[in-house]
Amino acid sequence: GAVVSQHPSWVICKSGTSVKIECRSLDFQATTMFWYRQFPKQSLMLMATSNEGSKATYEQGVEKDKFLINHASLTLSTLTVTSAHPEDSSFYICSAETGARAFFGQGTRLTVV
Amino acid sequence: AQSVTQLDSHVSVSEGTPVLLRCNYSSSYSPSLFWYVQHPNKGLQLLLKYTSAATLVKGINGFEAEFKKSETSFHLTKPSAHMSDAAEYFCVVSDRRLTGGGNKLTFGTGTQLKVEL
Repeated sequence: GAVVSQHPSWVICKSGTSVKIECRSLDFQATTMFWYRQFPKQSLMLMATSNEGSKATYEQGVEKDKFLINHASLTLSTLTVTSAHPEDSSFYICSAETGARAFFGQGTRLTVV
Repeated sequence: AQSVTQLDSHVSVSEGTPVLLRCNYSSSYSPSLFWYVQHPNKGLQLLLKYTSAATLVKGINGFEAEFKKSETSFHLTKPSAHMSDAAEYFCVVSDRRLTGGGNKLTFGTGTQLKVEL
């Protein structure tokens, strides 16, 4: 099946710094990618829908200036957490669509200290 | 280590007939288990979740799933399929042992449900 690679799988950063997470579709082109966040002991929350060549669509309550999404090509979307704070610590996962199917990255565990 | 196996990549049912989507999991610790649905061009929607309370979990849109530890299964069922149920369904396992910074999620490969008239 199709492969979505997410990098890094885990990262620790200091408060106030920025962290970039990459989501790549390795063997297919994805016009739409989704970014999710999981809070501890909770299910996933959709953060934004990323469309190649256009601005991302953010869900209500998600700060677009804090969570910058760039989808510059059909195989790459990036999520940058700017000025990270400890409350941004979470598990972030992306998915990419091809046809009617979605494929998920392996996720990124972010810890802000 | 944890893993999820969705046994059927495609399931086709007639409208009004029961739906069964199978999921087996493997986890070193007591897991949390979820079922998500994704309709084309939309993000995931949570159907239901199991987190160690009742083993029979009722979700939205008439779906339910039963956690069976002895069989390491968490199959999703619905008594009567509707055309709007046609979508892709994902079974997900999370290791509840981990705390802080988010629990690692492992996704099944998905099951496409087709509902025919």
